[in-house]
Amino acid sequence: DIQMTQSPTSLSASVGDRVTITCRASQSVSSYLNWYQQKPGKAPKLLIYAASSLQSGVPSRFSGGGSGTDFILTISSLQPEDSATYYCQQSYGIPYTFGQGTKVEIK
Amino acid sequence: QITLKEAGPTLVKPTQTLTLTCTFSGFSLSTSGVGVGWIRQPPGKPLEWLGIIYWDDDKRYRPSLNSRLTLTKDTSKNQVVLTMTNMDPVDTATYYCAHRRGGNSRDFDYWGQGTLVTVSS
Repeated sequence: DIQMTQSPTSLSASVGDRVTITCRASQSVSSYLNWYQQKPGKAPKLLIYAASSLQSGVPSRFSGGGSGTDFILTISSLQPEDSATYYCQQSYGIPYTFGQGTKVEIK
Repeated sequence: QITLKEAGPTLVKPTQTLTLTCTFSGFSLSTSGVGVGWIRQPPGKPLEWLGIIYWDDDKRYRPSLNSRLTLTKDTSKNQVVLTMTNMDPVDTATYYCAHRRGGNSRDFDYWGQGTLVTVSS
């Protein structure tokens, strides 16, 4: 299985801060990398697909980048509603594994 | 508008077989490229991809569950059924079904609300 490692595991930031989450794959996944946001008790929501494409309806403060093994999710100006856990997922090789998640809290 | 909803037992006993049904609307599982996947999440833990069934009845399973997991579809009823045999307490989780759109996309853009399945005697 392709292992996905996210860092940090958790972070606390203030409203308006720029936040970056990284995701590293144990082998190249090309650009088959997706980012999801999950709030407590809710299903995940697709934010970014194919490493850098913004899903329809997602605010433009979210962006993604990277290819191969190293990827980033950036929130350009953190908002209170962004408090959630964020997961990366590779969709290059079966099984389509997820990272362990990054919990983002608002100070 | 695409919607999906999981249904099935909330409690199963160890060694029993779990059957969950995903009923969806807003898309057809006979459209080229479309798929329905299953993902689970044990309480307080990360997401785990289980498998996917495609419009052409091709299926892919998590290798560690390959002998226990079966996905089937009923296109006329807009349903996908997950069957998992020999359930164990470690299989306790919220189970989600999700829509995989066609084309070159390999993401899940719509998810069901999830259903919590507890495995306990």
